[in-house]
Order: sequence, then C-alpha cells, then structure tokens
Amino acid sequence: DGGITQSPKYLFRKEGQNVTLSCEQNLNHDAMYWYRQDPGQGLRLIYYSQIVNDFQKGDIAEGYSVSREKKESFPLTVTSAQKNPTAFYLCASSIDQGVSITDTQYFGPGTRLTVL
Amino acid sequence: AQKVTQAQTEISVVEKEDVTLDCVYETRDTTYYLFWYKQPPSGELVFLIRRNSFDEQNEISGRYSWNFQKSTSSFNFTITASQVVDSAVYFCALSEAWNYGGSQGNLIFGKGTKLSVKP
Repeated sequence: DGGITQSPKYLFRKEGQNVTLSCEQNLNHDAMYWYRQDPGQGLRLIYYSQIVNDFQKGDIAEGYSVSREKKESFPLTVTSAQKNPTAFYLCASSIDQGVSITDTQYFGPGTRLTVL
Repeated sequence: AQKVTQAQTEISVVEKEDVTLDCVYETRDTTYYLFWYKQPPSGELVFLIRRNSFDEQNEISGRYSWNFQKSTSSFNFTITASQVVDSAVYFCALSEAWNYGGSQGNLIFGKGTKLSVKP
C-alpha cells in the first residue's frame, strides 16, 4: 500500500544526545515536510524539501537538521542544540510544490519524542 | 501576515447532534487554499478537504459539509448527526500560492478544535 511511514513511534532521549527520526514515503511525491506539534497547539513547520538534495528552513529550524539524499526519504535529526525537543513530530509529503500550485499534504503517523 | 484562527478550543456534544467547527483566516494573497484535517487519538493527520479561493461553492460529503465565505474569511466545517468515531482534533489550515514573506505552498495551521462526541 502507498503511504508514509515514520519510525519509531515512540522515542526517548537523554539530554545532550542527538536523535534521528525516520520518514519514508512510497507515493512518488517530490516534496516532503517535517512539522512539530506541542500539546494544544497547531503544527509548526521545521524543514521542507521540494526535490532531492535540496531543503529549506521552516519557521522553527533551530536545533534541527535534515537531509534529502533519496526522493523517498527525509530524515530529521534533533540535535542537542534544540532547547525543548519533547514533542510530537509529523512528516508529510505532497506531489509537488510548484510556483503557483499548492498540493495537498499527506501525513505519516508521527513520532513522539520524549527527552528524559 | 497569514493566520488561521480556530476560536473553539474544545466542543463536547452528544451523539446524533449536529456540530459546527469554526475557522477564520487572514491572508493578503488572492489565490490561496484552505484545508481541513482530522487528528484522531492515534495522532496521524487525515486529510478531509481542500478548497481554492476561487471556488466558494459549499461542499457536502456524507455527514460532512463545508461552508466557505470569502466575505467573512471563514471556512466552517459541519458534522451532521455526529458519531463517537468523529471524536478527534480538527485542524483548519491555509496555504498561499505566492510568497509574501513565508514560502508559498506551506501550510499555516490553526491551533485545532478538540471534538468529543459522547454516546
């Protein structure tokens, strides 16, 4: 079945450690996104990528890093520089983020990160 | 600046009641898109509808209906004859076609409305 997978579902990290969240899609979508969700809040964009080997910062990129070496994969690393990393992280993808077209974003099941 | 406001933080209804979730947006763009997503307790966001700014026709899909009014910058969502399975957090989102300081195509989310449907 086509879709977006995120792993792991739950992740625990000690302070000072980097951790990488996985996001894979088999929808053949060009664009991929990472969002952070805090309790009672909407989603905030961390990073996005329109094509392989290219990505841009979103609204809250500080303390995070990404790579896009393959079309189907967009891993997110939460670094020790992120002051408050405990949150729910959602990955999404869309067909293409064209110049004047907004395509629907489809979301993965999310990863809940807790810093101990 | 672009903004989405969902003033209702939480709503609780009894099964079979109708319920309307409000969404008000702000944008300088003339071409934009509005979305509704459902987030059940499992956490995954489920896409419900997308609307472009040139199409003000109301839409109905089963028990769901959407009322888009540009004059009031609103895109409200109504569930008719609610069911327990409708319990979730519902998000309204806006995306602009052109870049006005943000990046075109990126979603701006409201804070969500938590709907509880009791049997």
